[in-house]
Amino acid sequence: QKEVEQNSGPLSVPEGAIASLNCTYSDRGSQSFFWYRQYSGKSPELIMFIYSNGDKEDGRFTAQLNKASQYVSLLIRDSQPSDSATYLCAVHTGTASKLTFGTGTRLQVTL
Amino acid sequence: GAGVSQTPSNKVTEKGKYVELRCDPISGHTALYWYRQSLGQGPEFLIYFQGTGAADDSGLPNDRFFAVRPEGSVSTLKIQRTERGDSAVYLCASSLIPEDTQYFGPGTRLTVL
Repeated sequence: QKEVEQNSGPLSVPEGAIASLNCTYSDRGSQSFFWYRQYSGKSPELIMFIYSNGDKEDGRFTAQLNKASQYVSLLIRDSQPSDSATYLCAVHTGTASKLTFGTGTRLQVTL
Repeated sequence: GAGVSQTPSNKVTEKGKYVELRCDPISGHTALYWYRQSLGQGPEFLIYFQGTGAADDSGLPNDRFFAVRPEGSVSTLKIQRTERGDSAVYLCASSLIPEDTQYFGPGTRLTVL
């Protein structure tokens, strides 16, 4: 079992819809969780981080964390074509400072 | 303020050659990380520096890979006797303190022919 799992996609949503991106992790000691956006040929760009169970909202983005289910998700409201990218879920596991990444979910927002 | 910078942006080398990749972190960031990303994969951790010392080098694939950060700022990733399997994008990230949010540089695309 991979430490951080994401569906590779592509996830296709129409413009204006809600995109839901999901991630599961295996280490119950994981402390903090990050969503990065990566455009093709570019480096990862931080979208959001979340440490506590529940929801965290920032503009059109909402991160949701459920530690009991070892599940973290990212919702993108009012999806725009510019949101089309690969979304990487990353986890700080245990006491390690390194990030463990999933393989990413490719999102396509269609006109 | 400036973000993380990496040089060169692209590096093409021949199998067996030595390469150095440079990372200049965000000013004041004490923690520096190297990752490697292959096509279709997420970044994979290589090594992490806290100050001048390598706090965790568990991700280095073998002894051909080595990294330094002699003054606690700029870091150099060194790869000896490059192999075609080393071809990837090498990403550097920095954070203000360990376990804080990591910010990535633009990466160095290494191609080993």
